[in-house]
Amino acid sequence: SQQGEEDPQALSIQEGENATMNCSYKTSINNLQWYRQNSGRGLVHLILIRSNEREKHSGRLRVTLDTSKKSSSLLITASRAADTASYFCATDAGGNQFYFGTGTSLTVIP
Amino acid sequence: GAVVSQHPSRVICKSGTSVKIECRSLDFQATTMFWYRQFPKQSLMLMATSNEGSKATYEQGVEKDKFLINHASLTLSTLTVTSAHPEDSSFYICSAIQTFGNEQFFGPGTRLTVL
Repeated sequence: SQQGEEDPQALSIQEGENATMNCSYKTSINNLQWYRQNSGRGLVHLILIRSNEREKHSGRLRVTLDTSKKSSSLLITASRAADTASYFCATDAGGNQFYFGTGTSLTVIP
Repeated sequence: GAVVSQHPSRVICKSGTSVKIECRSLDFQATTMFWYRQFPKQSLMLMATSNEGSKATYEQGVEKDKFLINHASLTLSTLTVTSAHPEDSSFYICSAIQTFGNEQFFGPGTRLTVL
């Protein structure tokens, strides 16, 4: 399976705290993307980081990529209750097929 | 951004029937579309790559005769779940890439329940 793995599987934090989730993948990639998914709903694209980039920011999101370790992390700062969702990384090896990680279920407690 | 729609959003059918799910790119042309399935509380699994005017490419372990894909136009791909069984119950999500571009846009998903 080309599916990546994410940890933790579940994360519960208080509002205002930071949330960090990690993604590991198996093959060389062209880019890696992070998505969020509210329960039973579609995907929302958060951020894309290319294989030649090491860090990227977007609002309260910070993504890092370490291609030598085949891993990425997503940091959400100053979390809000509305951030409660599942978060997935997806890798693209260049053929545009996405292979999703196992996901992290984030709960932000008001 | 570009919009991808799916129809129906929910479908309930009896075991043994076939169900067709449509994926449309509303404001752009998509040479390539992808189909994913997602079981409850699990990740999305790529099922197949749908190329306009040619046969779909299926991922390992996905039965092509069970999940028929037709990409007859640059804005429409269909997934037909043939002879559906309860284990086919899942959330099916499509995505599309603009013909001139590489950003992937996801549909809202179709929840299939087979009784």
